[in-house]
Amino acid sequence: SAVISQKPSRDICQRGTSLTIQCQVDSQVTMMFWYRQQPGQSLTLIATANQGSEATYESGFVIDKFPISRPNLTFSTLTVSNMSPEDSSIYLCSVAAEYEQYFGPGTRLTVT
Amino acid sequence: QQPVQSPQAVILREGEDAVINCSSSKALYSVHWYRQKHGEAPVFLMILLKGGEQKGHEKISASFNEKKQQSSLYLTASQLSYSGTYFCGTESGNTGRRALTFGSGTRLQVQP
Repeated sequence: SAVISQKPSRDICQRGTSLTIQCQVDSQVTMMFWYRQQPGQSLTLIATANQGSEATYESGFVIDKFPISRPNLTFSTLTVSNMSPEDSSIYLCSVAAEYEQYFGPGTRLTVT
Repeated sequence: QQPVQSPQAVILREGEDAVINCSSSKALYSVHWYRQKHGEAPVFLMILLKGGEQKGHEKISASFNEKKQQSSLYLTASQLSYSGTYFCGTESGNTGRRALTFGSGTRLQVQP
């Protein structure tokens, strides 16, 4: 299994600012994903971040708004840029193991 | 397109059984099942692959009808610890991207 940590665990930010969320894994993994989850709702995939290649974004998500870095096989960052209240959500990173995916504890973001 | 889960919510007494269904309009490569408790990360339960392979926890059983693109999760002799929201996550096509589209979730409450 993989142990995933995220920083920060929660934050309250002002409209128009940016926040960078860090995801650290205790083992080397090729495939890493970023999801968004509104409280009480399902998970929505933002992008796939594989080391050595550009992130692949899902429909409705763009690089200018959610830039992602993947400098090595154990770390990734997601930036939420020019935030608005609609960006308030829980952001989770996950990694793919042989069959399953492991999720980090999430970053709860509130934009005021 | 998001897979459809049913029922949306179910309340059980300890020891009772439940079935949660997941249906997709796309041809699926795999179906994943996760359970999420309030304020926690989703936890992997099972994966069902096209071709019949399954991997998961011993006490969890599920089925995958490839012709109908439907999967069902069977919870038998439910325990209080089974409470939570269950999500199916689907991977379509044969891309091997491992990127999942999650259903809307089924909220399960097990009462003493």
